[in-house]
Amino acid sequence: NAGVMQNPRHLVRRRGQEARLRCSPMKGHSHVYWYRQLPEEGLKFMVYLQKENIIDESGMPKERFSAEFPKEGPSILRIQQVVRGDSAAYFCASSPPMSAEENEKLFFGSGTQLSVL
Amino acid sequence: AQRVTQPEKLLSVFKGAPVELKCNYSYSGSPELFWYVQYSRQRLQLLLRHISRESIKGFTADLNKGETSFHLKKPFAQEEDSAMYYCALNGPTNFGNEKLTFGTGTRLTIIP
Repeated sequence: NAGVMQNPRHLVRRRGQEARLRCSPMKGHSHVYWYRQLPEEGLKFMVYLQKENIIDESGMPKERFSAEFPKEGPSILRIQQVVRGDSAAYFCASSPPMSAEENEKLFFGSGTQLSVL
Repeated sequence: AQRVTQPEKLLSVFKGAPVELKCNYSYSGSPELFWYVQYSRQRLQLLLRHISRESIKGFTADLNKGETSFHLKKPFAQEEDSAMYYCALNGPTNFGNEKLTFGTGTRLTIIP
């Protein structure tokens, strides 16, 4: 099992461009979470998705940010018209179905470092 | 509102000395507390959770509801313990939704 895969590892964008961050959950996991870590801060919850459904997006900025987890393919976090304040590390995590008995509920990817010039 | 506070950004301890990483939380109900660790060039991974009440890599953490703390302790530090440590909280209303609130982290450095 390759674990949670995020790509790219580093992404550089100019102000006004779009950023697309991808996350493939662990095999057998149907729940995906996105967290953002701004410099000098802890990870902050953004959104929780299951296949084709957004369950909780209470941490998502109201504008420019969107997330999806289609039936096929990775989860995508999309940031439109990026600004310098979007520069951060974006982490994806996946978890197994609730019925699974696993001590570790959240498995994290290595993150995508977004830099906005 | 949920909040996790890790007052120390940096902590240096000599090898063989005791380690205590502080974590305080604010939550009105009964939260679930975790410690996550990130070793150099590795992913964030779960170290331990208060529900399991086990010791991992010699680390223990006890939930103190009176002091709203969940400090991480190890009696004898080892060089391989050098890492970034994050305390995290999940409220029971989020059960099934692993929506964690993280502290800002403490970078632990073990001095040989």
